[in-house]
Amino acid sequence: GAGVSQSPRYKVAKRGQDVALRCDPISGHVSLFWYQQALGQGPEFLTYFQNEAQLDKSGLPSDRFFAERPEGSVSTLKIQRTQQEDSAVYLCASRRGSRRITGELFFGEGSRLTVL
Amino acid sequence: QKEVEQNSGPLSVPEGAIASLNCTYSDRGSQSFFWYRQYSGKSPELIMFIYSNGDKEDGRFTAQLNKASQYVSLLIRDSQPSDSATYLCAVKRGTDKLIFGTGTRLQVFP
Repeated sequence: GAGVSQSPRYKVAKRGQDVALRCDPISGHVSLFWYQQALGQGPEFLTYFQNEAQLDKSGLPSDRFFAERPEGSVSTLKIQRTQQEDSAVYLCASRRGSRRITGELFFGEGSRLTVL
Repeated sequence: QKEVEQNSGPLSVPEGAIASLNCTYSDRGSQSFFWYRQYSGKSPELIMFIYSNGDKEDGRFTAQLNKASQYVSLLIRDSQPSDSATYLCAVKRGTDKLIFGTGTRLQVFP
């Protein structure tokens, strides 16, 4: 597709359930980012991939959060044993290059997770 | 202190006026600075980036950067109701990640 595609767009989970959120970046984009955006807040960095390598996972809030990008294209963000505080929009973004000072991030529409 | 600070607003301006959005950052090592616009329920989209001190103009938008004061701003001239959105300031630090502020909600009224 032409843009970053995320699925599902909406997910309702019961507390304690595991969820998986998928991101399909723009074809050929090397860099992929996951952000978490709570209501009324700016996006908070979670993790970053360059191709299949996860170069920075400093933003993952706990060991319940796990991300992968095994073939350097599609990425999955997995949240285990979801808690109510995990409720947020999870944004995926991709960028064509890797270490470009002004490279633009292209965001997907996000996956809105609600944990009951 | 948050790494990127913005006034959450809302900032209300009449149509045709200049809207001025401000952002401060704490890390002097920050290299480049971005303004994203986010409509309600939508994803952020890039408006402008700046990495040199001074002004950078693009149509109705002007970004201003003052690294000594650790301050970046966005001016929107001839504001339109369609400019009503949340404006996110982002700072590129370290390797490649962007750090975002909480955003300023702009309302342009007819």
